[in-house]
Amino acid sequence: DAKTTQPTSMDCAEGRAANLPCNHSTISGNEYVYWYRQIHSQGPQYIIHGLKNNETNEMASLIITEDRKSSTLILPHATLRDTAVYYCIVRSLYNFNKFYFGSGTKLNVKP
Amino acid sequence: DTGVSQNPRHKITKRGQNVTFRCDPISEHNRLYWYRQTLGQGPEFLTYFQNEAQLEKSRLLSDRFSAERPKGSFSTLEIQRTEQGDSAMYLCASSLDRGAPEQYFGPGTRLTVT
Repeated sequence: DAKTTQPTSMDCAEGRAANLPCNHSTISGNEYVYWYRQIHSQGPQYIIHGLKNNETNEMASLIITEDRKSSTLILPHATLRDTAVYYCIVRSLYNFNKFYFGSGTKLNVKP
Repeated sequence: DTGVSQNPRHKITKRGQNVTFRCDPISEHNRLYWYRQTLGQGPEFLTYFQNEAQLEKSRLLSDRFSAERPKGSFSTLEIQRTEQGDSAMYLCASSLDRGAPEQYFGPGTRLTVT
């Protein structure tokens, strides 16, 4: 699976948009980008995934660059409950057996 | 909405004892996964099942670890002769087996070996 690079930590003011970047410059054509988050002491929570096109759901938006080498997860109006570690993962269409989580980005939402 | 459940949530055991954890996946999910997470790290894949068949095992899964999913529903993870290095959060996830399936995780079992 392609490696991802994320900042170790980020701060965001409550009510503002949180934009979490991820670099996946070695991604191949059949690999999806997934985002999960993990709130302290809980299991990881699925947020969103995409292949080429931008995606939006009730939790977040995923913006994937045209060359697919990077993506941004957008939480439109961050709340204190969004404080968590956010993981960006790339996975092959043909190998869905496991995720490689990496170290993720610790997002601190501040009042 | 019944998600993935895991029991127990916490387990404290003495070194050398055997422990067993249980995972109940989302009912229509035929894939089940086990991960281990140590402090400050992301989860690491251990093994996965397609129905009752164990199809892949990580080299992290030493011969002291065994996982089963006897009827393709719940799964158990057993650790024999526990060591202090086994202290971790053990996470279970489940998914469908078609399309680009996302995995849904349980709350985990935190194991402390003293």
